[in-house]
Amino acid sequence: DAGVIQSPRHEVTEMGQEVTLRCKPISGHNSLFWYRQTMMRGLELLIYFNNNVPIDDSGMPEDRFSAKMPNASFSTLKIQPSEPRDSAVYFCASSSRDGLGGGYTFGSGTRLTVV
Amino acid sequence: GENVEQHPSTLSVQEGDSAVIKCTYSDSASNYFPWYKQELGKGPQLIIDIRSNVGEKKDQRIAVTLNKTAKHFSLHITETQPEDSAVYFCAASIGTSYDKVIFGPGTSLSVIP
Repeated sequence: DAGVIQSPRHEVTEMGQEVTLRCKPISGHNSLFWYRQTMMRGLELLIYFNNNVPIDDSGMPEDRFSAKMPNASFSTLKIQPSEPRDSAVYFCASSSRDGLGGGYTFGSGTRLTVV
Repeated sequence: GENVEQHPSTLSVQEGDSAVIKCTYSDSASNYFPWYKQELGKGPQLIIDIRSNVGEKKDQRIAVTLNKTAKHFSLHITETQPEDSAVYFCAASIGTSYDKVIFGPGTSLSVIP
């Protein structure tokens, strides 16, 4: 398995522009998570899906952020309009919700810079 | 709300020495405690996890101990090697869910050759 695949690896955009981050989870994993990592706030859970259904989006900062999971193999995180304070590394992770733990498998992340 | 504290924030050890990272959690219902290692430019990677029905778990040079009464758990790395240098994160489940965890702030470990 190629692991969790995220694209793009780096994104630089101007304030006010729309940004779309993409994620392909590990085949067979039925939970998907979007995290944001900054020096100040560490790893923050933004939203997570189980069987393609959003379960908890309480971490989504504001209405400018939205996430979708149209099928088991693809998810997007969209920021519209983007602001400089959204600059961070965004990680997607997936897991198998089998009650046995096993943790998350993280992707390599998307480094977003909003100028 | 739920919280996970982690100490120290930075740790420097000589190659071959042991390293210990300690975490405390606030949610008494937490029952799953994973540890992740993050190397520069990469996503966190699970290195070991423990559930609340055991007090200790080992995997080669890595061990984790759990004290549910005191609500703290620790990561022990023995015979450290330069490739152990990374940021380590502890995490605790929110309640009894294996799905959702809260992460500690991380410990930057440097192993000096």
